[in-house]
Amino acid sequence: AQKVTQAQTEISVVEKEDVTLDCVYETRDTTYYLFWYKQPPSGELVFLIRRNSFDEQNEISGRYSWNFQKSTSSFNFTITASQVVDSAVYFCALRGYSSASKIIFGSGTRLSIRP
Amino acid sequence: EAQVTQNPRYLITVTGKKLTVTCSQNMNHEYMSWYRQDPGLGLRQIYYSMNVEVTDKGDVPEGYKVSRKEKRNFPLILESPSPNQTSLYFCASSPTRSGGADTQYFGPGTRLTVL
Repeated sequence: AQKVTQAQTEISVVEKEDVTLDCVYETRDTTYYLFWYKQPPSGELVFLIRRNSFDEQNEISGRYSWNFQKSTSSFNFTITASQVVDSAVYFCALRGYSSASKIIFGSGTRLSIRP
Repeated sequence: EAQVTQNPRYLITVTGKKLTVTCSQNMNHEYMSWYRQDPGLGLRQIYYSMNVEVTDKGDVPEGYKVSRKEKRNFPLILESPSPNQTSLYFCASSPTRSGGADTQYFGPGTRLTVL
């Protein structure tokens, strides 16, 4: 069975603070793909990153960085020097190779950045 | 512009009145899928299609139907809507039928209220 857990339901920080959103996953596949999506208040889903299970290199894109650790089945997302525009719901998702038609989403983390 | 479109964006209806939410993509994608988003539950897959005339159930298919007569269209049909189908619905597509590393492209969402 596949599962994605985002234990943090809501996070609130003051602007310019760093914040990390946790994502823990379960899968029996050896090949799988992990995703992060952002859902701003306007409601659309914005793709942020895709990572495959063979690539454990951390990724940095501007103020965003992702830490993928297979040993702990985690794919955490950090925003450095947060801004009000980062306020959104963030979803982590998993797609296993053996059932690539199914994509499992976590329940999301609502991030509020206070000015 | 490459996009996934959904119509209508907002719909209020009454119990039992059949409705269809349309989804269309202009990227020649093989794979299409429907999700519903509910507070605290993230996105849950309703149905998906890997090719024309090929559809299969996701995690929450009860009360829904789909069809894939053309590659670009994947309508979601509620034959007899009930209040528990009040939700935010997303259509998504991705390039290949096997999925895997593909990134999904999401439509803007349809907010459905069933009274």
